[in-house]
Amino acid sequence: QSVLTQPPSVSAAPGQKVTISCSGSSSNIGNNYVSWYQQLPGTAPKLLIYENTKRPSGIPDRFSGSKSGTSATLGITGLQTGDEADYYCEAWDGSLSAGVFGGGTKLTVL
Amino acid sequence: DVQLLASGGGLVQPGGSLRLSCAASGNTFSSYAMAWVRQAPGKGLEWVSGISIGGGSRYYADSVKGRFTISRDNSRNTLYLQMNGLRAEDTAVYYCAKTVQYITDCLDNWGQGTLVTVSS
Repeated sequence: QSVLTQPPSVSAAPGQKVTISCSGSSSNIGNNYVSWYQQLPGTAPKLLIYENTKRPSGIPDRFSGSKSGTSATLGITGLQTGDEADYYCEAWDGSLSAGVFGGGTKLTVL
Repeated sequence: DVQLLASGGGLVQPGGSLRLSCAASGNTFSSYAMAWVRQAPGKGLEWVSGISIGGGSRYYADSVKGRFTISRDNSRNTLYLQMNGLRAEDTAVYYCAKTVQYITDCLDNWGQGTLVTVSS
């Protein structure tokens, strides 16, 4: 059971938009930054969004992040088949003094 | 960009020990915190352990507390994870990752992972 809660899967057609939710508590998302990671099949995770809304250089603006209270959301527009991957949210948990991940969401581009 | 190379994985019997290493390229290793994250076969990511820039602060997931020890040698640009009392549920690919600076920051660069298999 993950500390952060994500839907197991989402799907949408190419060119469409999808959102992935991440729910936590005041000890993690509520009082710390949220990061999002993309893991393509057979590869190491890659940072997609940091400090709730910021994109590292090289990440297209089709990817966006937001946070409200104890929840965060990853948005992906203009879906491409290459976006098929597992997506994870992550935050520091002050009560646990540890990082915590969501269970991951598998994105299927139909 | 910093390159991270994890090594030391392998097959070990339950109750055994293993030490993972993560070598970082460049000359900035002593300017960021580091973490280990694992992924069991077919499962999601699990944060395992983290260490501050100087090594004075160490953090562990409850699942490994008392069994695993994280350390770093800034003179060798290397991160370590000493794993004792290994259990079948510790079987996973172990990734090392660097933060931007502090342990609470995002993990902005990941190694390729090293597979640990605990089985008799």
